[in-house]
Amino acid sequence: GENVEQHPSTLSVQEGDSAVIKCTYSDSASNYFPWYKQELGKRPQLIIDIRSNVGEKKDQRIAVTLNKTAKHFSLHITETQPEDSAVYFCAALDTGRRALTFGSGTRLQVQP
Amino acid sequence: EADIYQTPRYLVIGTGKKITLECSQTMGHDKMYWYQQDPGMELHLIHYSYGVNSTEKGDLSSESTVSRIRTEHFPLTLESARPSHTSQYLCASSEFQDRVGTYEQYFGPGTRLTVT
Repeated sequence: GENVEQHPSTLSVQEGDSAVIKCTYSDSASNYFPWYKQELGKRPQLIIDIRSNVGEKKDQRIAVTLNKTAKHFSLHITETQPEDSAVYFCAALDTGRRALTFGSGTRLQVQP
Repeated sequence: EADIYQTPRYLVIGTGKKITLECSQTMGHDKMYWYQQDPGMELHLIHYSYGVNSTEKGDLSSESTVSRIRTEHFPLTLESARPSHTSQYLCASSEFQDRVGTYEQYFGPGTRLTVT
């Protein structure tokens, strides 16, 4: 089955700086990689995703990159704001089970 | 509005009680999932279903059971609650169309369970 590792587990940045969260996956057949943001006491929300036929996708201040050869993908947040503070989860689609396998999460703290 | 609904949102119950956590979705999705999560921590898949009359165990061993009699409904039952079951339970549903390469998964608001 799929195994997803996520780093770092905590990340503290100053407002306006960039933040990068990295994930690796094990199943070369995986073809879908979403990122979720979970604010305190709320449900995880899908913020961006990427499919294996593209290398990069951007949506305003967030971007995701995918390196299929190395089996890793990253989330980039530019010009961070205090409202970006949350726990971020990466995931990879286990194509056998058709279920997402999640990373362990990164707690991002943006200091004003 | 299409969404995933979970009830109750909060539940405090004594040891040994039987409980059922409800999950319904109006997303029109075939696949549904239950995750267990301690606040802000890892999401552990405990059950999933591909459709009506389909149920599978996930990665984390759980004493709970699930059923899928209707497409939109995926309840989770604990026959005898214990303090170790104290956690947040998140329901999710997804649309997976391999032919067109689309997949999206959405979560419900969760049920926070405390067993005393």
